[in-house]
Amino acid sequence: GQQVMQIPQYQHVQEGEDFTTYCNSSTTLSNIQWYKQRPGGHPVFLIQLVKSGEVKKQKRLTFQFGEAKKNSSLHITATQTTDVGTYFCAGPSSGTYKYIFGTGTRLKVLA
Amino acid sequence: DVKVTQSSRYLVKRTGEKVFLECVQDMDHENMFWYRQDPGLGLRLIYFSYDVKMKEKGDIPEGYSVSREKKERFSLILESASTNQTSMYLCASSLYWTSGTSLGTDTQYFGPGTRLTVL
Repeated sequence: GQQVMQIPQYQHVQEGEDFTTYCNSSTTLSNIQWYKQRPGGHPVFLIQLVKSGEVKKQKRLTFQFGEAKKNSSLHITATQTTDVGTYFCAGPSSGTYKYIFGTGTRLKVLA
Repeated sequence: DVKVTQSSRYLVKRTGEKVFLECVQDMDHENMFWYRQDPGLGLRLIYFSYDVKMKEKGDIPEGYSVSREKKERFSLILESASTNQTSMYLCASSLYWTSGTSLGTDTQYFGPGTRLTVL
């Protein structure tokens, strides 16, 4: 079946360092979504990418959708303690109403 | 702002009990979802509903059932709770399905979650 994989599973960085998480789908995606879940919280939508090769920025966060629309990345420049949490990507399952979530990357930022 | 609420933040039940988890959204969304979240496994879809009284199985429906009698309410039922159903349960809703556009209509809004412990 369709799978969405994320790497790494965990990442510890020093405050001020950069961070990247990668999302890979077994099939071509029509779009990809990214969510952030703070410790003890629930997932919150960050962004949706639709076009092949699309790059979007939100302050220190840069999101990229691969040319083949099978992979995506989230890059955080100069991490801050407020970036702590788990980042999930999600892609639509073909022919259904559902999205398949990646396993998530848990980011810890050391002050 | 979209608001998704869940009936309990924490719940403790005994093996064999029937458990009801309630979810309510206030934005007239068509789609509603139930996920469970376990460490290292991410979010796994249990059931979803794209209209009142309509439901479809997700990836892990065994041991669960759902009910959607009204548009704003989606209930998850554990017919006979077991210890392996101890988990965090998250409800979500989205406006409607338009995959492949940038309209944002399939953005999912999550409730705060219910941490269920089955003893």
